Amino acid sequence: EDQVTQSPEALRLQEGESSSLNCSYTVSGLRGLFWYRQDPGKGPEFLFTLYSAGEEKEKERLKATLTKKESFLHITAPKPEDSATYLCAVQAAYTGNQFYFGTGTSLTVIP
Amino acid sequence: NAGVTQTPKFQVLKTGQSMTLQCAQDMNHNSMYWYRQDPGMGLRLIYYSASEGTTDKGEVPNGYNVSRLNKREFSLRLESAAPSQTSVYFCASSEYLDRGDNTEAFFGQGTRLTVV
Repeated sequence: EDQVTQSPEALRLQEGESSSLNCSYTVSGLRGLFWYRQDPGKGPEFLFTLYSAGEEKEKERLKATLTKKESFLHITAPKPEDSATYLCAVQAAYTGNQFYFGTGTSLTVIP
Repeated sequence: NAGVTQTPKFQVLKTGQSMTLQCAQDMNHNSMYWYRQDPGMGLRLIYYSASEGTTDKGEVPNGYNVSRLNKREFSLRLESAAPSQTSVYFCASSEYLDRGDNTEAFFGQGTRLTVV
């Protein structure tokens, strides 16, 4: 059973059209949920860590939120430079040092 | 501050050849990881090292070996490469916290490996 599921797989937005990406998880004993951005041909770049339900973090046009079963990455008024693949990962009490990643959402922002 | 450095960036191997992927981090992190990334599969953990001197298997360890040479360096070896090992390989590091979990992982730029 997948521990981390991201949706949608791909998302196309017009510049300025706000939307949300979803990351649902089934692990118990969540220690942390991590959001990354990955540009083509590059390694994942860290964005946020969320530790407990109700927590929110913001950076420029991005806002990440966490509930007991899922996390959302809200993108407000996106720009073409926000185009990338967004990955989420979880770390759980029983996984120790391991991070489990979802397959990502490929975001394209059209000018 | 270079972060996580991987070498080489690109490599083409023939089936049966061996090679070692090198990774070094300069953030003084205890934990290091090797992932592979394939289309539609996401990042899958091959091996990890929670601290210097220890290594553990991840989700897809078959066909690979690792060495944690010192706190900075963590290498991944393919003893006899197979076409199924064609992938993009990422090394990452994170800091282990006393409460039993880790900080976020920082990634290298990847090694694009093709086995023909």
